[in-house]
Amino acid sequence: NAGVTQTPKFRILKIGQSMTLQCTQDMNHNYMYWYRQDPGMGLKLIYYSVGAGITDKGEVPNGYNVSRSTTEDFPLRLELAAPSQTSVYFCASSYQESSYEQYFGPGTRLTVT
Amino acid sequence: GQNIDQPTEMTATEGAIVQINCTYQTSGFNGLFWYQQHAGEAPTFLSYNVLDGLEEKGRFSSFLSRSKGYSYLLLKELQMKDSASYLCAVNPSWGKLQFGAGTQVVVTP
Repeated sequence: NAGVTQTPKFRILKIGQSMTLQCTQDMNHNYMYWYRQDPGMGLKLIYYSVGAGITDKGEVPNGYNVSRSTTEDFPLRLELAAPSQTSVYFCASSYQESSYEQYFGPGTRLTVT
Repeated sequence: GQNIDQPTEMTATEGAIVQINCTYQTSGFNGLFWYQQHAGEAPTFLSYNVLDGLEEKGRFSSFLSRSKGYSYLLLKELQMKDSASYLCAVNPSWGKLQFGAGTQVVVTP
């Protein structure tokens, strides 16, 4: 099993550009999550999904969109990139919520200039 | 509001013991997680507590007191590879983990 994979690993965007961060998991997990981590800070939840076709906002959803058309994939879309979105983005998945550990992807380091 | 507090940094010597405290105030509680994160890498799961008491896993132990909103992670027999950030995360509801800022542990020879 590859676990949770994310692409790209690094990206530089200009202000106003758009991009999609890809996330795929092969563990047949129902729950998937997107976090951002700013330097010296903990992770903040952007969006999450409890299954294909179902998504909901987390703590910091503004400026982002998600979709979940399959169990495996959970892409994160940035429509109009802003410098405040410079961060490291982690995708994670878990079998269920609550007591189940989340498995994290390797992260995407995004810089918006 | 939601608040999770842990020290910013701790330094300890190889072979020693370090205790990382975490206090939390959240609107709900469905368990507390500890994750380890090496620099430039993804967090990895260490422990989960939902009931009061101590959970032991090899060199790592985690303790929870729900009435006090308090947890600690105990790292014994420290090794150089334990130098990392340790994240306390509370599950207030439906898998929406709230993370603390992390405690950077520096292990010195």
